[in-house]
Amino acid sequence: DTEVTQTPKHLVMGMTNKKSLKCEQHMGHRAMYWYKQKAKKPPELMFVYSYEKLSINESVPSRFSPECPNSSLLNLHLHALQPEDSALYLCASSRDRADEKLFFGSGTQLSVL
Amino acid sequence: GNSVTQMEGPVTLSEEAFLTINCTYTATGYPSLFWYVQYPGEGLQLLLKATKADDKGSNKGFEATYRKETTSFHLEKGSVQVSDSAVYFCALRGHYGNNRLAFGKGNQVVVIP
Repeated sequence: DTEVTQTPKHLVMGMTNKKSLKCEQHMGHRAMYWYKQKAKKPPELMFVYSYEKLSINESVPSRFSPECPNSSLLNLHLHALQPEDSALYLCASSRDRADEKLFFGSGTQLSVL
Repeated sequence: GNSVTQMEGPVTLSEEAFLTINCTYTATGYPSLFWYVQYPGEGLQLLLKATKADDKGSNKGFEATYRKETTSFHLEKGSVQVSDSAVYFCALRGHYGNNRLAFGKGNQVVVIP
């Protein structure tokens, strides 16, 4: 199994809603990542988890809250988002932080109304 | 800091034409270089990589050579197919201190039958 699975594929939410994005991998990878990608732009790193501990937060607003409950799962909790947060949110994993090969999920397309 | 520059604008070409996408980089030391491909509605997939000067990465008919003297990693394919239509991102990763993956802006490639 070389897949990174993200759910849901699409999400529409209001600015007062609370929602969560989920990411799962069963490759035994110990590094997991959240990226944000706006249309026609490259992905931007948001968070990195290494061995279930947050190791990088790229100055992301607190309305985005990551969580890594175990080595296979990565969540991104969303609360009080703004319309400009609408984007494709990509999860990725690698064997560890030193491994250069990242496996990406297909992403969650988020629309904030 | 580390950065990647890709040629401006989308690339439109006919099936069986020769494809070149230019990529140059700025980095300290000896970074690893990558090409990622993103098909419509999907996440990024690693297409090929090179980890040291003069290395040639290749996959699915695509090639790129790590040229330290010109700080370039141009992507080429001799005969494109309609199924190669996608967005292509050049990326680099340093080995010391900041080892985040730095992406170029991406190039939309459209192959016409």
